[in-house]
Amino acid sequence: EAGVAQSPRYKIIEKRQSVAFWCNPISGHATLYWYQQILGQGPKLLIQFQNNGVVDDSQLPKDRFSAERLKGVDSTLKIQPAKLEDSAVYLCASSHRGGSYEQYFGPGTRLTVT
Amino acid sequence: GQSLEQPSEVTAVEGAIVQINCTYQTSGFYGLSWYQQHDGGAPTFLSYNALDGLEETGRFSSFLSRSDSYGYLLLQELQMKDSASYFCAVSGTGGFKTIFGAGTRLFVKA
Repeated sequence: EAGVAQSPRYKIIEKRQSVAFWCNPISGHATLYWYQQILGQGPKLLIQFQNNGVVDDSQLPKDRFSAERLKGVDSTLKIQPAKLEDSAVYLCASSHRGGSYEQYFGPGTRLTVT
Repeated sequence: GQSLEQPSEVTAVEGAIVQINCTYQTSGFYGLSWYQQHDGGAPTFLSYNALDGLEETGRFSSFLSRSDSYGYLLLQELQMKDSASYFCAVSGTGGFKTIFGAGTRLFVKA
């Protein structure tokens, strides 16, 4: 089966600019996650979707980050405006069901904010 | 709140056995998972424990003690390719609020 797809793979922007990341999960996976991973740290959950509903966004900086999952399939994560501290790898993952059980990760998008 | 603790680094020799510990604190508990991540790569799933005891998958085993809020990943017959970061992760009740540990960097030496 095809894995989790993400684009773009790399993005360089200046602070205060906007950026969007796209994720296509594994077909049939109801749960989709967006993580932020800063170099040397573990992934930090930003938002978790169950189908097209949000079940956890407690760590999403809502003043600048937004995410949506259209029709319970693809998802987009947006940052507007970006800050220097947003430089990180943004990972999308999907799983059959919620919880930490067997999440499949995409290759990630490496964001550099200058 | 939720938090996890795991050692930052472990070094072992090829062919040896290494254990990576993880202690957690969480409001509600759904399960403990382990992921491997090579430099520049994405995390890949290794194992999952929802109940107490040992789960074995090839050279890798994972253990959970819910009463002690503790688990470990055991890697046997270490190979050079096992050099990577290993993360434990927990979710709270209902499978929400997945939290990853900071990771343990494993160095395997010849």
